[in-house]
Amino acid sequence: DGGITQSPKYLFRKEGQNVTLSCEQNLNHDAMYWYRQDPGQGLRLIYYSQIVNDFQKGDIAEGYSVSREKKESFPLTVTSAQKNPTAFYLCASRAHWGNTEAFFGQGTRLTVV
Amino acid sequence: DAKTTQPNSMESNEEEPVHLPCNHSTISGTDYIHWYRQLPSQGPEYVIHGLTSNVNNRMASLAIAEDRKSSTLILHRATLRDAAVYYCILQPTNYGGSQGNLIFGKGTKLSVKP
Repeated sequence: DGGITQSPKYLFRKEGQNVTLSCEQNLNHDAMYWYRQDPGQGLRLIYYSQIVNDFQKGDIAEGYSVSREKKESFPLTVTSAQKNPTAFYLCASRAHWGNTEAFFGQGTRLTVV
Repeated sequence: DAKTTQPNSMESNEEEPVHLPCNHSTISGTDYIHWYRQLPSQGPEYVIHGLTSNVNNRMASLAIAEDRKSSTLILHRATLRDAAVYYCILQPTNYGGSQGNLIFGKGTKLSVKP
């Protein structure tokens, strides 16, 4: 089945450590996105990529980094510079950056301990 | 970016129709209206989208006002599984750079009572 997969579902990190969240899609989509969601809030855009080997900062990119070396993969690294990393992280993809539906993964819940 | 306004929360009884409103008074002529919903602890899922005419699919119907300044998502018979946060989002047809991104507000939290 085609879809978008995030792993792991739950992740615990010690303060000061970097951690990488995985996002893989087999939908042959060009565009991929990372969002952050805090309790009771909407989704905020961290980074987006409209094509392989290119990505752009979203509204809250500070403390995060991404890569897009393959069309199907868009990993997100939460660095130690991110001051409040505990949140629900969502990855999405869509066929192209236009009026098509976006498909979301099931999310990764990151907790800093 | 054109903005949308939705009520924070709504309640419905199971098996009754639900009308979820969205105001978008600054919508441009080429903006599509998209709806997504998010069940607890899950990623959002696409529901429906439209431009001018009313739209129907297996999940819901979308009624768009003649002046396009508002729209309504209609769930014809609410079930307990429809309890979710519903997001109304505008998407430009012609875009460049970041305009193709989906910008989520806080949405409407729908509660369904048995």
